[in-house]
Amino acid sequence: DVKVTQSSRYLVKRTGEKVFLECVQDMDHENMFWYRQDPGLGLRLIYFSYDVKMKEKGDIPEGYSVSREKKERFSLILESASTNQTSMYLCASRPAGIHQPQHFGDGTRLSIL
Amino acid sequence: RKEVEQDPGPFNVPEGATVAFNCTYSNSASQSFFWYRQDCRKEPKLLMSVYSSGNEDGRFTAQLNRASQYISLLIRDSKLSDSATYLCVVIDPFSGGYQKVTFGTGTKLQVIP
Repeated sequence: DVKVTQSSRYLVKRTGEKVFLECVQDMDHENMFWYRQDPGLGLRLIYFSYDVKMKEKGDIPEGYSVSREKKERFSLILESASTNQTSMYLCASRPAGIHQPQHFGDGTRLSIL
Repeated sequence: RKEVEQDPGPFNVPEGATVAFNCTYSNSASQSFFWYRQDCRKEPKLLMSVYSSGNEDGRFTAQLNRASQYISLLIRDSKLSDSATYLCVVIDPFSGGYQKVTFGTGTKLQVIP
């Protein structure tokens, strides 16, 4: 079974802090994704990566950056956390083949106070 | 027009009923399609792939209509445990080194005793 592991289930940080969310997958998947999900808004793509050191902006990249130094790990960074970044953050991975689904981690509920 | 559209619902159906959801997509070149299920405050989980010829998994049937550009999910003999939000996913062909993955915003199903 594919395993996507997010470093924290719940996280509380303060406004202005630099926040790191880590995601690790164990299936050698090429593609990795970061989403946020808020009530009534569905999944919104923040950034994705289709290879090591490669990254592409999603629909809402402002206020975020990412890092993919190793194939198995994709980090999401909130440069200076703000209260409007309080959300559920979901990491996903998938192989590069066309008929391959995404697999999600359990999610991180991040609260910015 | 949104790239992937779903009726948000909620669909309130009695136990034992048959219910169907549709998901329309705008890119005629889209290649892969999936249905995910998401329970409240949990991560999305793959329910089933959608194949060109249609496919069935127990009480669930998925179909693809390329001419009209939509996929459907049919649930027969609804159970209380089917209550969840159902997300469709559309994957486009390779472009610029990667495939675009687009989620619908989901259709909420509530099965009533």
